[in-house]
Amino acid sequence: KNQVEQSPQSLIILEGKNCTLQCNYTVSPFSNLRWYKQDTGRGPVSLTIMTFSENTKSNGRYTATLDADTKQSSLHITASQLSDSASYICVVITYGQNFVFGPGTRLSVLP
Amino acid sequence: EAGVAQSPRYKIIEKRQSVAFWCNPISGHATLYWYQQILGQGPKLLIQFQNNGVVDDSQLPKDRFSAERLKGVDSTLKIQPAKLEDSAVYLCASSSLRRGEETQYFGPGTRLLVL
Repeated sequence: KNQVEQSPQSLIILEGKNCTLQCNYTVSPFSNLRWYKQDTGRGPVSLTIMTFSENTKSNGRYTATLDADTKQSSLHITASQLSDSASYICVVITYGQNFVFGPGTRLSVLP
Repeated sequence: EAGVAQSPRYKIIEKRQSVAFWCNPISGHATLYWYQQILGQGPKLLIQFQNNGVVDDSQLPKDRFSAERLKGVDSTLKIQPAKLEDSAVYLCASSSLRRGEETQYFGPGTRLLVL
């Protein structure tokens, strides 16, 4: 069964600190993996897209990694800001354009 | 470029009533998705259209949910009759079929509360 798991379920950090969110998946056939940011009351917005051959991709203070062998991905946020408070959702896409969503990690950045 | 539009933004109904949501995707996007997102969970796909044809509706509770995209542009999702457990945010998303542009763009969602 295609499944995406994320950890931790929720996280609280102080402004300026770094954090890493984890994603494990059992999805095939794998096409690409995406991290989305979802602010409260809004739809998800894509942060990064990673294909099978990519190990690392950065988007500003966000850096995503992918290990296709162990089927794990991480999203690292550097120098967190209050505006980073949101849910971060890992999504794995199959070649048939099936989008398998994880449950999300709820991040709260405190001043 | 205008984003995905959804209406209404909020809806409160009593159980056993009917409700309909509307979505207008980004112009030119062939693929349209409806998701149900229960509080604290990731979105769950209800139905996926490509143009006006259904690609995947395996998780759509067809006894009470229906969706259509008659002209291959905007779409409506209906619930009839609603149950308490239908309380959720209903997200619409669209994507292009063009290679390299498969990113989904989400609308703001419709928050449904069933009392």
